Parts: sequence; structure tokens; C-alpha cells
Amino acid sequence: DQQVKQNSPSLSVQEGRISILNCDYTNSMFDYFLWYKKYPAEGPTFLISISSIKDKNEDGRFTVFLNKSAKHLSLHIVPSQPGDSAVYFCAASPRGSQGNLIFGKGTKLSVKP
Amino acid sequence: DGGITQSPKYLFRKEGQNVTLSCEQNLNHDAMYWYRQDPGQGLRLIYYSQIVNDFQKGDIAEGYSVSREKKESFPLTVTSAQKNPTAFYLCASSQWSGNTIYFGEGSWLTVV
Repeated sequence: DQQVKQNSPSLSVQEGRISILNCDYTNSMFDYFLWYKKYPAEGPTFLISISSIKDKNEDGRFTVFLNKSAKHLSLHIVPSQPGDSAVYFCAASPRGSQGNLIFGKGTKLSVKP
Repeated sequence: DGGITQSPKYLFRKEGQNVTLSCEQNLNHDAMYWYRQDPGQGLRLIYYSQIVNDFQKGDIAEGYSVSREKKESFPLTVTSAQKNPTAFYLCASSQWSGNTIYFGEGSWLTVV
């Protein structure tokens, strides 16, 4: 049973517009959430994270929103750039697990010039 | 430069052979991990180690073995018992108290 779900396998956005990537989770014991960006044949790169005690975290063009009641988080990229084209993974950490992350299957973002 | 180094990048193995993937980190991280990625799938945890000389099985440990003799090193052996070894393998590390893990560049293993 998938505990972290990214229901959209792909997303296409025009350069300069907003990209919104979504992630749902089922385990209420998750207390830390992360987004990673991955290019083909490379390791994932950490982008941004959020603790369950917050509902928003912002870093430059990237903002993550957490809705605990809906068990939903989203990553907003504004403005989107062609270099943002990659696969984005949502990950969650159960309370006390210290780095043992549960990953979604990823969403492939394509930003068109 | 600090980071996580995996080698080799590409590896071919004949069926029935064991193969060892190397992972070294100079970030002074306490914990290290091995994940596997299959096409169209997320990352699945194989093994992890939070301290030298100790490690735990992840979700898909069958057919794999690890060792943690040094803080900097966490090699993964893919044994002949692993039924579908062809995949992209990712090593990662984190601080003891940290939830954020950092990945190496990955190793492609193909069974021929």
C-alpha cells in the first residue's frame, strides 16, 4: 500500500508560469516532508522541506504548502524555467525515523520555452 | 569538495555473480542508506546504517548485503539471490539528528 502518492505522472507548464506539483500521504505519523528534484541518470537533489508544525515554507522560487487535515502537500515553482524540467519526488519521514524516507513515484515536469 | 561518491557508475554483471557497489562520503554524516530505483517507480530502501558496525534491513533487503566498518563507507553487495538486480542504485547519507538525506550520483547495474 502506497503511503506517499503522487497521482500525476507528468505535468507540462509554459516558461514563466506557475508549476504546482501535488503529493498525498496516508500515514498520520509522518512529521517531516521533503521534495527532491532528479535528472535522468543522476542522484536526487534536495530542494525544500517542511515540518508538520508548519503549513508553509519558502525558498526563492520554491514554496511548499502542507495541509495536515487533508494529508496533502504541494510544491509551487514560480516562475517556472526550462531548467526546472526534471522528475520531482515527494518524500515523507515517520516520526522518530531519522532519515528513513518514504518516497512517492515522482512527477515529471516539463517546462516549455 | 564534500559529497557522496558512488562507483562504478555503470556495471554489468553476469547472472549468478555477486557484485559490490561502492559508496564513500566525506560529509561526516553518521547515517548512510542504499535505495533502488526502477523505471517509473519511486525510491525503495534496501538497507540503512545509523552507526558503524550496525545496519538494518529496509523494505527490499532480500538478495542484498551491506557492511559498515568505517563511518565513511557503506558498500552494497548484490548477490546472485537477487532475482531482478537490474536497476539504478542510489547511496545516501544524513546527519544522526537530521531528516534530510543527501544522495550520490547513482550506479547503474545491468545483468547480462
